[in-house]
Amino acid sequence: AQKITQTQPGMFVQEKEAVTLDCTYDTSDPSYGLFWYKQPSSGEMIFLIYQGSYDQQNATEGRYSLNFQKARKSANLVISASQLGDSAMYFCAMREGDGNNRKLIWGLGTSLAVNP
Amino acid sequence: DGGITQSPKYLFRKEGQNVTLSCEQNLNHDAMYWYRQDPGQGLRLIYYSQIVNDFQKGDIAEGYSVSREKKESFPLTVTSAQKNPTAFYLCASSPGDWNTGELFFGEGSRLTVL
Repeated sequence: AQKITQTQPGMFVQEKEAVTLDCTYDTSDPSYGLFWYKQPSSGEMIFLIYQGSYDQQNATEGRYSLNFQKARKSANLVISASQLGDSAMYFCAMREGDGNNRKLIWGLGTSLAVNP
Repeated sequence: DGGITQSPKYLFRKEGQNVTLSCEQNLNHDAMYWYRQDPGQGLRLIYYSQIVNDFQKGDIAEGYSVSREKKESFPLTVTSAQKNPTAFYLCASSPGDWNTGELFFGEGSRLTVL
């Protein structure tokens, strides 16, 4: 079974609008971390945002926020006020356990296109 | 500028040849990683190293080898034993104290086997 599921292969959004990229996860470990990375066409992966399983509040970083619904095991990324430079692949990832576990489990990604 | 440098960006190899991908970081990070990315798939961990002269296998280590003789360098050798080496390879690093799990990535190396 997939541990990280991103159900949207591709998404379109108009510039300046908000967009939500879906991510659901599966783990029995009470301690875990959830991440979102952006991969532009240049190829490098860029860290966007992190949410720990014990964090009480949803993580936010500038225009990025993580809608963390623990009971539903979802960690959706919300990008507000989309910009043309947001066009890229977006990956959700999970670390099970604490920071001693160096392995991240990755989703298949969502391709986002921002239209002018 | 601080960051991770991977080279070469593009590499072509004949079947049966070994090839080494370079990864250098000047972030003073303790841990370094190699990932493989195939079209339509998520990243898969090949090897990682938390300290100099030590490294661990990831999920798909077969056909690959690494070394960590210096803190700033973590080269990956794709050997002839790797059955399907054509892929995009990403190197990453992270601080030793890995609270959030943020990884810093290079721009990748694209290997094509002819």
